[in-house]
Amino acid sequence: AQTVTQSQPEMSVQEAETVTLSCTYDTSESNYYLFWYKQPPSRQMILVIRQEAYKQQNATENRFSVNFQKAAKSFSLKISDSQLGDTAMYFCAFMAMYSGGGADGLTFGKGTHLIIQP
Amino acid sequence: NAGVMQNPRHLVRRRGQEARLRCSPMKGHSHVYWYRQLPEEGLKFMVYLQKENIIDESGMPKERFSAEFPKEGPSILRIQQVVRGDSAAYFCASVAGANTEAFFGQGTRLTVV
Repeated sequence: AQTVTQSQPEMSVQEAETVTLSCTYDTSESNYYLFWYKQPPSRQMILVIRQEAYKQQNATENRFSVNFQKAAKSFSLKISDSQLGDTAMYFCAFMAMYSGGGADGLTFGKGTHLIIQP
Repeated sequence: NAGVMQNPRHLVRRRGQEARLRCSPMKGHSHVYWYRQLPEEGLKFMVYLQKENIIDESGMPKERFSAEFPKEGPSILRIQQVVRGDSAAYFCASVAGANTEAFFGQGTRLTVV
């Protein structure tokens, strides 16, 4: 079974600052995806960024980037030039991909509540 | 993702009533996951369905909860005889079947009074 740990229940930074959300996971699988999802007050889950485990290059999407350390099983999210609209719950998630191409369900961390202060 | 439709968005039920939550996956997707988010907790997996087949229901409470995904129509998560502890946000996610991420609906907020 996979586990995902987000050790920061809540974080608060000033607008325009850079913030890093941590995520560690535990798995015996070698082929998997990692995701960061954002859940704003609207409750919708929005995919922020994803990383394939076999890719060494860290994924980047505009102001969002990850630091993927496969050996350490760490997958942190960095938000640069933070904006008020970034205020939300952020969930780290893991999905194993099996040899037959089938996907297991997502395993989520408990989430980090990020607050961007004006 | 706007392509996955959940309804209703908000549902209020009295204790002992039944709650039915619907999820229409993205066009072309034949697999659906249901998750529950309890207050102060992260998303918890409940059940993984393919059309007309339950693949994994290991996260479903043994009693009062059931799920289906018929050949035609949305997936339904049914909670019988609701209790206050069932109050939560329930999310549905659809996948194409393999090698893709999950696309989530907006969720249904169930409140049991």
